[in-house]
Amino acid sequence: LAKTTQPISMDSYEGQEVNITCSHNNIATNDYITWYQQFPSQGPRFIIQGYKTKVTNEVASLFIPADRKSSTLSLPRVSLSDTAVYYCLVGPNRDDKIIFGKGTRLHILP
Amino acid sequence: GAVVSQHPSRVICKSGTSVKIECRSLDFQATTMFWYRQFPKQSLMLMATSNEGSKATYEQGVEKDKFLINHASLTLSTLTVTSAHPEDSSFYICSLERRDGTGELFFGEGSRLTVL
Repeated sequence: LAKTTQPISMDSYEGQEVNITCSHNNIATNDYITWYQQFPSQGPRFIIQGYKTKVTNEVASLFIPADRKSSTLSLPRVSLSDTAVYYCLVGPNRDDKIIFGKGTRLHILP
Repeated sequence: GAVVSQHPSRVICKSGTSVKIECRSLDFQATTMFWYRQFPKQSLMLMATSNEGSKATYEQGVEKDKFLINHASLTLSTLTVTSAHPEDSSFYICSLERRDGTGELFFGEGSRLTVL
């Protein structure tokens, strides 16, 4: 699985747009980029997935440049309930390993 | 709706006892499931890959005799923590992968194990 690098933590305020960038320099041609959100004492849950360019759903947007070596998760108008850890993964997994990076701990302030 | 169901969500046990955690795939057959352990404020750490009908593949440093994994059917994998000790207290999470080429993962709700 391609290694990913994200900022360890970020702070923002309610109502702001938050952008979290993930680096994945050795992404493979058939890899998708998927972001997950995890609240304390819960399993991660899917937020958004993309392969290239831009993807938008009801909760987030995902921007992927042409070289696909990075991606940016954009959360519009965050609220306190968006405080969580966000993980970016690239795959499908190879060698049957799905390894998580450290994720980004997002803290939303009132 | 949920794709993966994990049970129990919380368990407290005495040191030396064994605890079984179940992970069920609700929507599709899963030949492979993954078990993770997560300590407070840390990322998920892959423990093992559970393979239906065969032995699990354990990550380096994970004791296979300590963490017994059984994947007897396409919808159920179990993790048994044998002779649990306080240091085994952690949050255990299972997941499975959608085999459509996108790598999307589905996770259980997690099981919080506390060993007294």
